[in-house]
Amino acid sequence: NAGVTQTPKFRILKIGQSMTLQCAQDMNHNYMYWYRQDPGMGLKLIYYSVGAGITDKGEVPNGYNVSRSTTEDFPLRLELAAPSQTSVYFCASSRRGQGGNQPQHFGDGTRLSIL
Amino acid sequence: GQSLEQPSEVTAVEGAIVQINCTYQTSGFYGLSWYQQHDGGAPTFLSYNALDGLEETGRFSSFLSRSDSYGYLLLQELQMKDSASYFCAVGGSGSARQLTFGSGTQLTVLP
Repeated sequence: NAGVTQTPKFRILKIGQSMTLQCAQDMNHNYMYWYRQDPGMGLKLIYYSVGAGITDKGEVPNGYNVSRSTTEDFPLRLELAAPSQTSVYFCASSRRGQGGNQPQHFGDGTRLSIL
Repeated sequence: GQSLEQPSEVTAVEGAIVQINCTYQTSGFYGLSWYQQHDGGAPTFLSYNALDGLEETGRFSSFLSRSDSYGYLLLQELQMKDSASYFCAVGGSGSARQLTFGSGTQLTVLP
């Protein structure tokens, strides 16, 4: 049972480059989330999705885009990488719920450096 | 807006009991969650409180007082493996489907 799988685990980008962070879950969860975590800080929500074809902005969406064409996959796109986007990115999924009553299951993260 | 306050660091010895507090301010509230994160690892779910009172799960317990906008995580019989960061998170601010996380408390368990 793989759970939530993120690729790549590490990546170094140059300023202005673009890339897609991949996230896939095999638990048939409706809800999926993208967070970023800066050193010594908590998780900040970038985007989330409550089902295929439905996405919405979180707290820090600027500079990112998402799509959700299937229940399993939720990729995160960085169009023009900036040093401020250096962070650890976590993807998570959960069953349908509200207010956190369904546990979020996290992937192992993608460590991204923009130089 | 919403904000959560929790201590940045807590230190305790093996076998002891430690309490990590969390106070929150939020425009909407459904519940308070706790997550554990070991260095370099993924956050993992520990507990969820929607109603006032204490929820117990093995060595871990979580408490909520909605009238005081306050909760805590209680860890008993501390073990070295409990050294990790602990995050409280509130659900319902902005959207019922979102969680807002605190900055985390780094727990160090000493032998």
